[in-house]
Amino acid sequence: DAGVTQSPTHLIKTRGQQVTLRCSPKSGHDTVSWYQQALGQGPQFIFQYYEEEERQRGNFPDRFSGHQFPNYSSELNVNALLLGDSALYLCASSYGQGGQPQHFGDGTRLSIL
Amino acid sequence: AQTVTQSQPEMSVQEAETVTLSCTYDTSESDYYLFWYKQPPSRQMILVIRQEAYKQQNATENRFSVNFQKAAKSFSLKISDSQLGDAAMYFCAYRGSYNQGGKLIFGQGTELSVKP
Repeated sequence: DAGVTQSPTHLIKTRGQQVTLRCSPKSGHDTVSWYQQALGQGPQFIFQYYEEEERQRGNFPDRFSGHQFPNYSSELNVNALLLGDSALYLCASSYGQGGQPQHFGDGTRLSIL
Repeated sequence: AQTVTQSQPEMSVQEAETVTLSCTYDTSESDYYLFWYKQPPSRQMILVIRQEAYKQQNATENRFSVNFQKAAKSFSLKISDSQLGDAAMYFCAYRGSYNQGGKLIFGQGTELSVKP
């Protein structure tokens, strides 16, 4: 039973570029959430997708956008990259939007030069 | 807005001993969930234990147990018989009731080291 998988593992970009991160949820899960974790900090919620729609959003600018596909996998897109976007990006999946716990992937480490 | 605070940036424990990690939170809701997650250097966030606010009984999972004080808005994690593999960052997290969606709010984390 595959858990949450994220790709790529590590990515290096320069300021102003655009990036796409990918996430496949755990088998049986239909909800995907994305978090940004800066070095030495706790994760910050970016947004959540359920039934291919953004259901909840954290305090992140419109440069951060996402998508969920019919197979429940998801993408996180970040435009006009800033140095401050350097972080570990975590994807978490769960079943439904209720009380089920979220399962996390290993994350994508994004470095901006 | 809900907040989660972990006031201990670092903690240390001797192998086989017991350690308690502290967490406080602020919310105006009466129905919510609280979690402790462990993040080793491998980066994956692993669920350690979960507590529903409506349950008065403290959750336990093998060597891990919580002390949930709803009135004080306190949610501490006790690790008994500490093992070298317990060394990691530990995050306390809050999630609102069902109609609030699945957004997790994390604390700043506590780095736990285990001495042999």
